[in-house]
Amino acid sequence: QVQLQQWGAGLLKPWETLSLTCGVYGESFSGYFWTWIRQTPGKGLEWIGEIQHSGSTNYNPSLKSRVIISIDTSKNQFSLKVNSLTAADTAVYFCAEGTYRGLEYWGQGTLVTVSS
Amino acid sequence: EIVLTQSPATLSLSPGERATLSCRASQSVSRDLGWYQQKPGQAPRLLIYDASNRATGVPARFSGSGSGTEFTLTISSLEPEDFAVYYCHQRSNWPPYTFGQGTKLDIK
Repeated sequence: QVQLQQWGAGLLKPWETLSLTCGVYGESFSGYFWTWIRQTPGKGLEWIGEIQHSGSTNYNPSLKSRVIISIDTSKNQFSLKVNSLTAADTAVYFCAEGTYRGLEYWGQGTLVTVSS
Repeated sequence: EIVLTQSPATLSLSPGERATLSCRASQSVSRDLGWYQQKPGQAPRLLIYDASNRATGVPARFSGSGSGTEFTLTISSLEPEDFAVYYCHQRSNWPPYTFGQGTKLDIK
């Protein structure tokens, strides 16, 4: 049974850096697109970016200058960092496993609030 | 960026009725479109991929159709657990992949 378990700080101040990690259990790490998505009431679901086992990344151009997605294959984990936070980054952040079929497995979601 | 427009925004129906949800793309996505169901407090769940293929474990009452710019998700006979928000998602053109704004299916 594939499970994605995510963790990280939920309350941050403007200009700080968001850091979330997603652990992958019950699944080989290669052959998938390890993806981060966020959800807000105003903008809905927003694709942030993805990383492959090789370390190759794709980012949403609207966030690319502030986002880094990295991978640790030895721990079956991948991570998201978003710097220079503003209130507009307040959202529920999800990690997910991407295949040619789509996003089949998701983490539980982490509410990140940016507030002074 | 490809914009996905879903209609209607809200659909009010009764259990046993048929639901038809639409997703229109601003440019062709071929058949690279999926549908997701999201219930409150949960992550989205993949229902349909490649426009018309049901994901593992998805009941047969869910079906998808379409190609190019026009897509439809049909629920043939609504069960109480089907009342949720539904999103379409394209993986044809990146970056970025995009989602529709959602259709809320609620109980009439």
